[in-house]
Amino acid sequence: NAGVTQTPKFQVLKTGQSMTLQCAQDMNHNSMYWYRQDPGMGLRLIYYSASEGTTDKGEVPNGYNVSRLNKREFSLRLESAAPSQTSVYFCASSEAEYEQYFGPGTRLTVT
Amino acid sequence: QKEVEQNSGPLSVPEGAIASLNCTYSDRVSQSFFWYRQYSGKSPELIMSIYSNGDKEDGRFTAQLNKASQYVSLLIRDSQPSDSATYLCASGYSSASKIIFGSGTRLSIRP
Repeated sequence: NAGVTQTPKFQVLKTGQSMTLQCAQDMNHNSMYWYRQDPGMGLRLIYYSASEGTTDKGEVPNGYNVSRLNKREFSLRLESAAPSQTSVYFCASSEAEYEQYFGPGTRLTVT
Repeated sequence: QKEVEQNSGPLSVPEGAIASLNCTYSDRVSQSFFWYRQYSGKSPELIMSIYSNGDKEDGRFTAQLNKASQYVSLLIRDSQPSDSATYLCASGYSSASKIIFGSGTRLSIRP
């Protein structure tokens, strides 16, 4: 039982490059989330998926797209990376508005 | 705008003392509340959830909820240096299947 897994753990991109962050959970949760966390800051919700087949914008969606591939997997795509997207990205899953469980994070640097 | 407010700290507590962390929330209909611990460079880890008014104890941790005052607190008894971390408070937002996080309180336990 791995919980929530994320790949990659680290990534360096040049401005304008694209990439997809992958997230998978094995807890049979309906809801999945993508957050970013900047140094000394709290978690900011980028996008979430309340159930398979639905996605909604969070607090900071600009520059990102998401895909809920199936119940287990929720990916985050940066189409044209910008230095302002340098951050740590966390994926989480839960059953609706209840306890969320987080993956280990992806540390992204955009130069 | 649903909000969860925490004092950013740092809160410095001597080893062996009680650490008291506080949080207020704005959404009167919130029914679920959570405390997460986040060590530097790591992902948030759920330590307590509370749904009813009153106290809930788990080992050295006690969560307290007062819905009338829209106030949640976390007490850590017999504080240890390993308790030094950032503590995130969160409340559930049932109509959107997500939770709202505060920005966190940094706790430092001094030997």
